[in-house]
Amino acid sequence: GAVVSQHPSRVICKSGTSVKIECRSLDFQATTMFWYRQFPKQSLMLMATSNEGSKATYEQGVEKDKFLINHASLTLSTLTVTSAHPEDSSFYICSARRGGVGYTFGSGTRLTVV
Amino acid sequence: AQTVTQSQPEMSVQEAETVTLSCTYDTSESDYYLFWYKQPPSRQMILVIRQEAYKQQNATENRFSVNFQKAAKSFSLKISDSQLGDAAMYFCAYRSENSGNTPLVFGKGTRLSVIA
Repeated sequence: GAVVSQHPSRVICKSGTSVKIECRSLDFQATTMFWYRQFPKQSLMLMATSNEGSKATYEQGVEKDKFLINHASLTLSTLTVTSAHPEDSSFYICSARRGGVGYTFGSGTRLTVV
Repeated sequence: AQTVTQSQPEMSVQEAETVTLSCTYDTSESDYYLFWYKQPPSRQMILVIRQEAYKQQNATENRFSVNFQKAAKSFSLKISDSQLGDAAMYFCAYRSENSGNTPLVFGKGTRLSVIA
């Protein structure tokens, strides 16, 4: 079946540094990738929608300059958390459309900023 | 904007028993899709079941079935013969039919515990 590989699964970084999270569709072309953030015991909150070859569309309240999304190819989308701070610590999940009404989720990245 | 409401933050069920998780949604659209996703402790999102709004017949997947009431905008999930592996967070989700770039809108989730 369709698989989205998300890396890293866990990352700890120092405050002020940047972290890149990758989501790669392994056996299909992901023209659209959705990035979600999930706080402990809470639901998934949509951060942005990215389409291959164009700028991402960010949800209201999401800082574009802090959460940089790149979708340069049909199989790879990246989320870079720039100048990370402890409040950016969270669980980040990507989700790709795979044709029809199907969605495939990455396994998530737990980011801890210390 | 569409909203999805799950009014049960937590539920519990005895192993082998049946449990129903509630979900209501608000939309002005006539064509859309509804989903139930399971998120176990690994946090991997797993599709449980999907319902197309234009279909009157309730979707069924093995022990999982839904009660889709379009007029009432209700979409409950019934889990029969509950197993320990069913313990997880369950999210109800809505997707508009409008365009291919439509994301899923999630409810707040219901944490299901299964008691042995």
